Amino acid sequence: EIVLTQSPATLSLSPGERATLSCRASQSVSSYLAWYQQKPGQAPRLLIYDASNRATGIPARFSGSGSGTDFTLTISSLEPEDFAVYYCQQRSNWPPPFTFGPGTKVDIK
Amino acid sequence: QVQLQESGPGLVKPSETLSLTCTVSGGSISSYYWSWIRQPPGKGLEWIGYIYYSGSTNYNPSLKSRVTISVDTSKNQFSLKLSSVTAADTAVYYCARHNTVGVSSGYYFLDWGQGTLVTVSS
Repeated sequence: EIVLTQSPATLSLSPGERATLSCRASQSVSSYLAWYQQKPGQAPRLLIYDASNRATGIPARFSGSGSGTDFTLTISSLEPEDFAVYYCQQRSNWPPPFTFGPGTKVDIK
Repeated sequence: QVQLQESGPGLVKPSETLSLTCTVSGGSISSYYWSWIRQPPGKGLEWIGYIYYSGSTNYNPSLKSRVTISVDTSKNQFSLKLSSVTAADTAVYYCARHNTVGVSSGYYFLDWGQGTLVTVSS
């Protein structure tokens, strides 16, 4: 099983600041990594797929980078609606084919 | 845009079988992969398994012995059965449609239901 670790667990920032979230895989997942945003009481929402492609309707302030085992989600300037939990997810040929990271909570400082 | 809606009992007794249905509207269930994902209260996400509209399945090995996912294309629905449940199976259960674009088609979860909380308790 490919294990994803996310850091930090919690990121306390102010609106307008830059957020940098990390996701590390226990083995290479090539570029098959996605990022999701989840707000309280809501389902996750796909933000980024294939490590760096924004999903439809996702603002340009969200960007993803990385390949292999190290990935980053960057929010260039935090808007009030961006305070949420962010999960990374990988797809591989190792069972199970889909695993999620434990999440990073971005909260208001 | 496709919409997904989970339905089923919110309370299941230990050792019994959890049964949920996901109804797809605004689009056909055909030609897509569909998954069940769960999230225990206050915790992270766990993929349970997927089904292709043709009926082929793939399950998380950690749950494989207890999980069955089926599809009913005539009703535009797919279903989850999880047997011999314990308190550890208490979670919000989501159904989701996989993405369909490009070489990574099927690799991610594009559309999600709102989720339904299932509590295992006597």
